[in-house]
Amino acid sequence: GQQLNQSPQSMFIQEGEDVSMNCTSSSIFNTWLWYKQDPGEGPVLLIALYKAGELTSNGRLTAQFGITRKDSFLNISASIPSDVGIYFCAGQTNSGYALNFGKGTSLLVTP
Amino acid sequence: EPEVTQTPSHQVTQMGQEVILRCVPISNHLYFYWYRQILGQKVEFLVSFYNNEISEKSEIFDDQFSVERPDGSNFTLKIRSTKLEDSAMYFCASSVSRIFGVEAFFGQGTRLTVV
Repeated sequence: GQQLNQSPQSMFIQEGEDVSMNCTSSSIFNTWLWYKQDPGEGPVLLIALYKAGELTSNGRLTAQFGITRKDSFLNISASIPSDVGIYFCAGQTNSGYALNFGKGTSLLVTP
Repeated sequence: EPEVTQTPSHQVTQMGQEVILRCVPISNHLYFYWYRQILGQKVEFLVSFYNNEISEKSEIFDDQFSVERPDGSNFTLKIRSTKLEDSAMYFCASSVSRIFGVEAFFGQGTRLTVV
């Protein structure tokens, strides 16, 4: 599958801080998705993006589909302890069924 | 809220044994998937299934793997002769469509341990 580069690998922040993470690819994707995974659980969908340039919010989360269709970012505002987990980006091409996942960003939030 | 359910949650098997992992996708979804995640690594695509046939599979999904939808609700992944390196978390997922509505909803996973 296509390689997705997700950064940063991990983040350690204080409650209330804003967080930003991103994903880049050498390939063009038609869909970008952001998932959160808690330990021992399955990924939970946070935001789905379908159009280049699209900016979508879900509560304190905001994600954007890059204009080049090769990147996406996720912002979390005013982080809280329950934001702790691993955040994965995933992209899908128009021709395939598979979601290609990034390696994840591990987020730790201290009270 | 509808969800994807997987059984068992944890399976321990001896190397060389066959295992069947079971999934009940969300009822109005048409596309079904298996993914796996080796401990500490990213989620990897195995196979997608639509209209009672495999629509795409990855290099991981070799002849040892097979999928089946034996009835209207279950979706299974069989590993014929397990190897140590098959130890991973296996996730079933389903989606309404492949393009819009491509959002795949994942189950809680089955942790497979091959000893």
